[in-house]
Amino acid sequence: DGGITQSPKYLFRKEGQNVTLSCEQNLNHDAMYWYRQDPGQGLRLIYYSQIVNDFQKGDIAEGYSVSREKKESFPLTVTSAQKNPTAFYLCASSMSGGLEQFFGPGTRLTVL
Amino acid sequence: SQQGEEDPQALSIQEGENATMNCSYKTSINNLQWYRQNSGRGLVHLILIRSNEREKHSGRLRVTLDTSKKSSSLLITASRAADTASYFCATDRDDKIIFGKGTRLHILP
Repeated sequence: DGGITQSPKYLFRKEGQNVTLSCEQNLNHDAMYWYRQDPGQGLRLIYYSQIVNDFQKGDIAEGYSVSREKKESFPLTVTSAQKNPTAFYLCASSMSGGLEQFFGPGTRLTVL
Repeated sequence: SQQGEEDPQALSIQEGENATMNCSYKTSINNLQWYRQNSGRGLVHLILIRSNEREKHSGRLRVTLDTSKKSSSLLITASRAADTASYFCATDRDDKIIFGKGTRLHILP
């Protein structure tokens, strides 16, 4: 059963704590992406990775960090430097050079 | 930075009617995609249209692209309750795609 998974679905953290969101795919896709979505808004690109051990900043990378040690996994850490981290976070993947992106179900992060 | 912008922001229609939403963009593109998002879920790819294509169909979906006007439209025919969702256009920029803010479609029973 191929797909892209994110965990957890809901996450609550206290202000000032770092938190890591998981994203795993078994589609054998080279490229992976992290987006942030605020209520009633579109998706904004945080980070993306076209290949293992390489990643690039998107439009709103400040306060976030990623790693890409394995092809299947692209975890996102929301650091305490992120001023307003409460949002819905979406992970996606695509084939190398591919255009269609496949999305995970999302993680809703609430910082108290 | 937003490239595509959907219009209208929200749309309510009766079940069975057709729904049309539009997307305008600013710079030249190689292709344009439409995605659907059900509330609280991830996005699902619907259709891709390339810059050298003018119209494309997939089931009840019809997408048009007018590169001279830098705009695209998504038509959903014979709408159903299950079509209630947000619809986003996405355009290519370098090696990424950029999403608009979406149109929220509500199908009334």
